[in-house]
Amino acid sequence: AQRVTQPEKLLSVFKGAPVELKCNYSYSGSPELFWYVQYSRQRLQLLLRHISRESIKGFTADLNKGETSFHLKKPFAQEEDSAMYYCALSGSYNTDKLIFGTGTRLQVFP
Amino acid sequence: GAGVSQSPRYKVTKRGQDVALRCDPISGHVSLYWYRQALGQGPEFLTYFNYEAQQDKSGLPNDRFSAERPEGSISTLTIQRTEQRDSAMYRCASSAQLGEQFFGPGTRLTVL
Repeated sequence: AQRVTQPEKLLSVFKGAPVELKCNYSYSGSPELFWYVQYSRQRLQLLLRHISRESIKGFTADLNKGETSFHLKKPFAQEEDSAMYYCALSGSYNTDKLIFGTGTRLQVFP
Repeated sequence: GAGVSQSPRYKVTKRGQDVALRCDPISGHVSLYWYRQALGQGPEFLTYFNYEAQQDKSGLPNDRFSAERPEGSISTLTIQRTEQRDSAMYRCASSAQLGEQFFGPGTRLTVL
């Protein structure tokens, strides 16, 4: 079965602390993995994708095929990072449906 | 340019009524996707189109749900004989061929 699991509903940290949002997946094949973010009162938007291997707003995510994980990390959280984060996969690069996890709300306190 | 737009932004209806939700994709985008998001859940795929052709409707929950994109641009998701369990945020996204999916603001449907 194709599935994305985000075990934490809520993650609270203080400004400057490291952040790791967990994502595990199950998929028979080679999926594409994404992180989407939704800031308060804004629409869902792409944060980063594993094939681009880039850092966006200080966030990185490495695909670990052995552990079937795609955790999102940032070494020093900022208050403006507070948002809802969704991990998602597709069967092929953006030409197919996205399967989302249930999301993790990140709260960064001053 | 303008992003993906959806209308209405909010829809309250009574059980048993039909509703039509509209999505206006980014101009020139080939692919259009519909997702449904219940409270506390992630978006769940419903259906998608390439141009006017419906490529995958495996996520439509039952035959009360249908979607069309007759001219390969604007799409309408129709729910017939609405039920309370249909209450959710309905999200539309569009993408260029092999491109990133851009999401609209969503339509919040409440069925009383």
